[in-house]
Amino acid sequence: AQTVTQSQPEMSVQEAETVTLSCTYDTSESDYYLFWYKQPPSRQMILVIRQEAYKQQNATENRFSVNFQKAAKSFSLKISDSQLGDAAMYFCAYRRMAGAQKLVFGQGTRLTINP
Amino acid sequence: DTGVSQDPRHKITKRGQNVTFRCDPISEHNRLYWYRQTLGQGPEFLTYFQNEAQLEKSRLLSDRFSAERPKGSFSTLEIQRTEQGDSAMYLCASSLGLAGESYEQYFGPGTRLTVT
Repeated sequence: AQTVTQSQPEMSVQEAETVTLSCTYDTSESDYYLFWYKQPPSRQMILVIRQEAYKQQNATENRFSVNFQKAAKSFSLKISDSQLGDAAMYFCAYRRMAGAQKLVFGQGTRLTINP
Repeated sequence: DTGVSQDPRHKITKRGQNVTFRCDPISEHNRLYWYRQTLGQGPEFLTYFQNEAQLEKSRLLSDRFSAERPKGSFSTLEIQRTEQGDSAMYLCASSLGLAGESYEQYFGPGTRLTVT
């Protein structure tokens, strides 16, 4: 079974600084997707960024980028120029490319932005 | 496109009662998912529909839980004889799914269930 681990329950960063959230996963599959989702307080979960395992190039979305290390099964999220609106729970998630469609989530990291 | 909606947003019930939640997916999405999220944890998969067919169920889904998606549109999740351990946020998500390709899951706001 696939598992996703986020070892940082809480992180904080000064506004305008850069922060990196860590995620490791375990799978025997070679093709899969990895995601970072953001869940603001009392608001619904939204997708931040997605990475296909077969792509060597790390995904980027504006201020958000990932460091995908397939051999190490590591998938970290870097947030540059942190803004107050980035404060949220961040979840790392895994999904097989074929077959089962379910997302497997990590435990989450609560990110606080200090003004 | 109004996004995924869920009703009710909050439900308080006494132990032993039955509850039913509704999820309305994004209109063109043929795939619908249910997840459960307890406080301080990531969501856990419960079940998944493609159109009206229920294609996968988690072992978390005991026989007290049942989900339906008649006509491949909205879905309902029913919990019979609720227990205090059922207290959680129940999240619904939908996505488009075509042969050989999978797309982003869009989440609803969730239904928070409290069993007293």
